[in-house]
Amino acid sequence: NAGVTQTPKFRILKIGQSMTLQCAQDMNHNYMYWYRQDPGMGLKLIYYSVGAGITDKGEVPNGYNVSRSTTEDFPLRLELAAPSQTSVYFCASSGRARDEQFFGPGTRLTVL
Amino acid sequence: AQSVTQLGSHVSVSEGALVLLRCNYSSSVPPYLFWYVQYPNQGLQLLLKYTSAATLVKGINGFEAEFKKSETSFHLTKPSAHMSDAAEYFCAVTSTNTGNQFYFGTGTSLTVIP
Repeated sequence: NAGVTQTPKFRILKIGQSMTLQCAQDMNHNYMYWYRQDPGMGLKLIYYSVGAGITDKGEVPNGYNVSRSTTEDFPLRLELAAPSQTSVYFCASSGRARDEQFFGPGTRLTVL
Repeated sequence: AQSVTQLGSHVSVSEGALVLLRCNYSSSVPPYLFWYVQYPNQGLQLLLKYTSAATLVKGINGFEAEFKKSETSFHLTKPSAHMSDAAEYFCAVTSTNTGNQFYFGTGTSLTVIP
């Protein structure tokens, strides 16, 4: 049981490039979340999903897109990378609303 | 609107001393409250959670927290700090009217002095 996995662990992008951060969970959880963590700012919710085919915006969705075609996978897409998107990105999942979230190890992204 | 305030971005305690990390929440409806711990270069792990049952909640590694509605607080304590407790701690809140969203505090970095 791998829990929540994220790839890649690290990535450096140039301004304007695009990339997809991958997230997968093997716990059959319906709820999945993407957060970004910036120093001194805690975690901010980017997007979340309550099941396959259903996604919704969080606090800071601008510049990002998501899709949820399967229960297991919840990729996060950056279309035109900007320096403001330099951050650590965490994916999380939970079995029910308002229940414990299980976090992946994170992806450290730098945009130069 | 939901929010969480963690007082003190950095807390230092001596090994064996009491650990007290503060969390105050804002919620117009009964909240669900969580404490998570983050070790360097890792994701967050759940320490404990309050979901409207007992107001004193016990978690892993000897931590506990008490929900005080009158003070809108959910402070995290541990009677005796251990070197391995050095980490970043986050308080989070959600409720039935947040649309499945969790709101995290800005975190408290705990240093344990030998």
